[in-house]
Amino acid sequence: LAKTTQPISMDSYEGQEVNITCSHNNIATNDYITWYQQFPSQGPRFIIQGYKTKVTNEVASLFIPADRKSSTLSLPRVSLSDTAVYYCLVAQGNTGKLIFGQGTTLQVKP
Amino acid sequence: GAVVSQHPSWVICKSGTSVKIECRSLDFQATTMFWYRQFPKQSLMLMATSNEGSKATYEQGVEKDKFLINHASLTLSTLTVTSAHPEDSSFYICSASQTGVGNQPQHFGDGTRLSIL
Repeated sequence: LAKTTQPISMDSYEGQEVNITCSHNNIATNDYITWYQQFPSQGPRFIIQGYKTKVTNEVASLFIPADRKSSTLSLPRVSLSDTAVYYCLVAQGNTGKLIFGQGTTLQVKP
Repeated sequence: GAVVSQHPSWVICKSGTSVKIECRSLDFQATTMFWYRQFPKQSLMLMATSNEGSKATYEQGVEKDKFLINHASLTLSTLTVTSAHPEDSSFYICSASQTGVGNQPQHFGDGTRLSIL
């Protein structure tokens, strides 16, 4: 399973765009890139998933370059409630298994 | 959509007791369910993968006789922590996937806080 590397922590201010980059050098052809958000004492919440290029939904965008060795989660205008841990994960294509890394703790300040 | 419910959300019990945790997919059928544990200030650790109607696959280092997993239907998986001890105290989280393959995201329950006295 491909391991991921992402910054341990990031700070931002309300209303700003936040970009969190993740590297996954050993990603396999059948693997998918998935991002989750976790608040304390809750289960992770699915944000977005992609295979290549760009994916956008109502809360975020995911940018994946052609070599797929990295990805960037973009949160357009963060609010205080976006303070959470964000996990970048590679979902194994044929089993769906996820191996969680340490995640990025995002602190949004007023 | 894609709601996963875990029960109980919180349990305290005496050492030596067995504790059962339920994980239900409420609005979809889950071919595959996963069980994780999370210690304070740490990330989630995958314990096992459970497919409906078959035996669970445990990750290396996870005792299958200690953590019994049953996935008897497409909407329910259970984790039983047998003869629990204080070191088993943790946050247990399940997730469910419709297809069990990587192009379908896992949807997580809100976890069960287990405290063993």
